[in-house]
Amino acid sequence: GAVVSQHPSRVICKSGTSVKIECRSLDFQATTMFWYRQFPKQSLMLMATSNEGSKATYEQGVEKDKFLINHASLTLSTLTVTSAHPEDSSFYICSARRGRAYNEQFFGPGTRLTVL
Amino acid sequence: KNQVEQSPQSLIILEGKNCTLQCNYTVSPFSNLRWYKQDTGRGPVSLTIMTFSENTKSNGRYTATLDADTKQSSLHITASQLSDSASYICVVSEGGATNKLIFGTGTLLAVQP
Repeated sequence: GAVVSQHPSRVICKSGTSVKIECRSLDFQATTMFWYRQFPKQSLMLMATSNEGSKATYEQGVEKDKFLINHASLTLSTLTVTSAHPEDSSFYICSARRGRAYNEQFFGPGTRLTVL
Repeated sequence: KNQVEQSPQSLIILEGKNCTLQCNYTVSPFSNLRWYKQDTGRGPVSLTIMTFSENTKSNGRYTATLDADTKQSSLHITASQLSDSASYICVVSEGGATNKLIFGTGTLLAVQP
């Protein structure tokens, strides 16, 4: 159990377009979902934390109007990169937390975004 | 500032050999320490999670140790296999309501035949 999926796994888009990435907890309800960004040879950096039915909490330096997060249900969170630019090209990873226990956080497989 | 540092940055070993990866942290308050394996282009997969009171935890050929006094952890891989080639990330969870994860930069391990 505890599987988290992301869709799409890879996306290439033109500069100026918007891209939506989905994160789903397949076999559990996620009280909290997290979105991370990872640049090559660097560690994961938390972008935002979202709780179902409430607004996401963004980390310092992350533009909330550029990275729109919607946590519509206990099994689905979406990240929309609006007006994407080449510098937004990165590996985006979500994770989902089941319950409040410390060991109940599971990562998705990631989405590779390339903006041309 | 809460930080997690890992060494070495990269490591090449021959198949069948053992290796040990290091992690030092300055995170406070401390909740738990995790080791993840991240294959290229994939999300991290949990190997071990240790709380303050745990000194060692094993998962197959992976054994993690934790010294909460010196704020150090290690991950020992026994009898390495080609499939062990990946990035190994040490992650420390802050104590408190958020349990925010502080990520190390990882050790890139290459196992060669």
